[in-house]
Amino acid sequence: QKEVEQDPGPLSVPEGAIVSLNCTYSNSAFQYFMWYRQYSRKGPELLMYTYSSGNKEDGRFTAQVDKSSKYISLFIRDSQPSDSATYLCASGGSQGNLIFGKGTKLSVKP
Amino acid sequence: DAGVIQSPRHEVTEMGQEVTLRCKPISGHDYLFWYRQTMMRGLELLIYFNNNVPIDDSGMPEDRFSAKMPNASFSTLKIQPSEPRDSAVYFCASSFGQRGNTIYFGEGSWLTVV
Repeated sequence: QKEVEQDPGPLSVPEGAIVSLNCTYSNSAFQYFMWYRQYSRKGPELLMYTYSSGNKEDGRFTAQVDKSSKYISLFIRDSQPSDSATYLCASGGSQGNLIFGKGTKLSVKP
Repeated sequence: DAGVIQSPRHEVTEMGQEVTLRCKPISGHDYLFWYRQTMMRGLELLIYFNNNVPIDDSGMPEDRFSAKMPNASFSTLKIQPSEPRDSAVYFCASSFGQRGNTIYFGEGSWLTVV
């Protein structure tokens, strides 16, 4: 089992929809959780960062971590065509390196 | 500020040829990472350096791959000899500190081995 699992999609939604992206992780020692966004033919860029459990909100984006179920979520409200990209979740702990999921490809149709 | 700079952006080479990918990390960053991204396996860490010293190369697929960091502003990833299964996007990334700190990625080097 890979340490971070992510549904690759693709996911297609209409503009304005609420998008939910999810990952699971297996290592209970993981303490920090990130979401990276990757546009086509570009490198990943950090979108959201969460330490330990809880929610973090930034504009239209909300990151949620549930350590009891080892579940990581990213919600996008009022999705826009410019949100079309691949979203990668990543997790890490005090030991070892950041582990990335394979990414979910999102397409927001106008 | 300039981000992580990689070259070449695209490379098409024949099987058996040597490939050298180059990276300039963000100034002041003390960690440098080389990743490989494919559809099948996603983003995989190949090797990382701390203060120019290789720390963990357990992700390097085989002896055909080697990486160096002769100074704080330059690193190379070399594949010799290259094989078609090496075709992928290779990302260089850097960070200041490691645990939980933001990793900044370059735009990638798109390698095709025919």
